[in-house]
Amino acid sequence: EADIYQTPRYLVIGTGKKITLECSQTMGHDKMYWYQQDPGMELHLIHYSYGVNSTEKGDLSSESTVSRIRTEHFPLTLESARPSHTSQYLCASSEFTQETQYFGPGTRLLVL
Amino acid sequence: AQKITQTQPGMFVQEKEAVTLDCTYDTSDQSYGLFWYKQPSSGEMIFLIYQGSYDEQNATEGRYSLNFQKARKSANLVISASQLGDSAMYFCAMREGQRDDKIIFGKGTRLHILP
Repeated sequence: EADIYQTPRYLVIGTGKKITLECSQTMGHDKMYWYQQDPGMELHLIHYSYGVNSTEKGDLSSESTVSRIRTEHFPLTLESARPSHTSQYLCASSEFTQETQYFGPGTRLLVL
Repeated sequence: AQKITQTQPGMFVQEKEAVTLDCTYDTSDQSYGLFWYKQPSSGEMIFLIYQGSYDEQNATEGRYSLNFQKARKSANLVISASQLGDSAMYFCAMREGQRDDKIIFGKGTRLHILP
C-alpha cells in the first residue's frame, strides 16, 4: 500500500490567485496521477506522469499545470484560480509494473 | 458511449445483509483490468479489489468479491455481511488494453447501510 499525502486538505481562495496543490508519496512509485472530481460525480484524469521529467495531459482538459522534478513529488499549479476550478483534486500513484493506483486524501478547493 | 456503467445511483441495505453493486463495461480490447474503489464522505479513494481480464477465478479480498462475467462484460462487486462502515460511494473502474494505464471511472453508486 502506498503512503501518499496531499496538502492542503481544504483551500478557500479568491479569484485570480495562484495556487499549488502538493502531492507526495513515499513508496518510490514511478507513476503519478491527478484527478478532478466534482461532488458526487466520477473522477476525471487531468494529468499523469511516468517518472521524473515526464508529464502528460489526461482526458479532461484542465488549465492547471504539473511538474515532476523528483520521483516522490507531483505538484499541481493553477496560475489564476477561477470559480470553475472549484472541485476536489485527488492525487494517485502506482508502481511501474502494477495496475493498482493508490490515492491520497484529496484537496477540496473552493474558489470564490 | 460510456465505458463504465453503474446503473444504481443509490442503494439502501440492511446491516449484515449481502449487497451487490452492478458494473458493466465496454471495451474491444482483450487485455484489460477492472477495479473497485470505495470513497467515504471524507473523500479519499480506497482500493478494494482488482480483476484482470485473463484471470479465470473471481477476485476476492476479505468481505469483497468481484463477480466477473466476461461474456456479459459485467464486473459486479459483492460485499458480504455488510457493516455500517460500508456506507460510502463505490466506483467501478477499468484500465483498457496495454497502451497506457489510464483508468476510466464509472459515475458511482452511493451505498447506505441501515442499522
